[in-house]
Amino acid sequence: NAGVTQTPKFQVLKTGQSMTLQCAQDMNHNSMYWYRQDPGMGLRLIYYSASEGTTDKGEVPNGYNVSRLNKREFSLRLESAAPSQTSVYFCASSGGGYQETQYFGPGTRLLVL
Amino acid sequence: QKEVEQNSGPLSVPEGAIASLNCTYSDRGSQSFFWYRQYSGKSPELIMFIYSNGDKEDGRFTAQLNKASQYVSLLIRDSQPSDSATYLCAVSSGTYKYIFGTGTRLKVLA
Repeated sequence: NAGVTQTPKFQVLKTGQSMTLQCAQDMNHNSMYWYRQDPGMGLRLIYYSASEGTTDKGEVPNGYNVSRLNKREFSLRLESAAPSQTSVYFCASSGGGYQETQYFGPGTRLLVL
Repeated sequence: QKEVEQNSGPLSVPEGAIASLNCTYSDRGSQSFFWYRQYSGKSPELIMFIYSNGDKEDGRFTAQLNKASQYVSLLIRDSQPSDSATYLCAVSSGTYKYIFGTGTRLKVLA
């Protein structure tokens, strides 16, 4: 039981390049989330998917797109990377509903030059 | 005003002491409250959650919630050097959105 997995663990991009961050969970959770974490800013929600087939914007969605491929997988795409998107990205999942604990993946460290 | 506020620290306590971490929130409709621990370079992991006013104990950890005053706290008894980490407070208002504080860095001195 791997929990929440993310790939890649680390990535360096040049400004303007695109990439997709992958996330998968094996806990049969309904809800999945993408956060970014920057020094002094805490965790900020980029997008979330309450259930398979639905996605919604979070606090900082600009410059990102998401796809809930199926119940297990939730990907985050940067179409044209910018230095401001240098951050640590965490995927999380939960059973759904406001009382459910979120479980986090190990994170992806992204550096945009 | 930030929606969830925490003192960034560092909070330094000697080994064996009680560490008290505090969090205030602005949304009176908040219903669920979580404490996560995050070691440097790692992902957040859940310590405790609390939904009702009062205290909730789990081993060395006690979460305290006061909805009237809009604060939630985490007490760590018999603090150990392995407790040294950043502690994140998270609040949910009944939607799928969780608001995280910026975290308090705790240092337990051996």
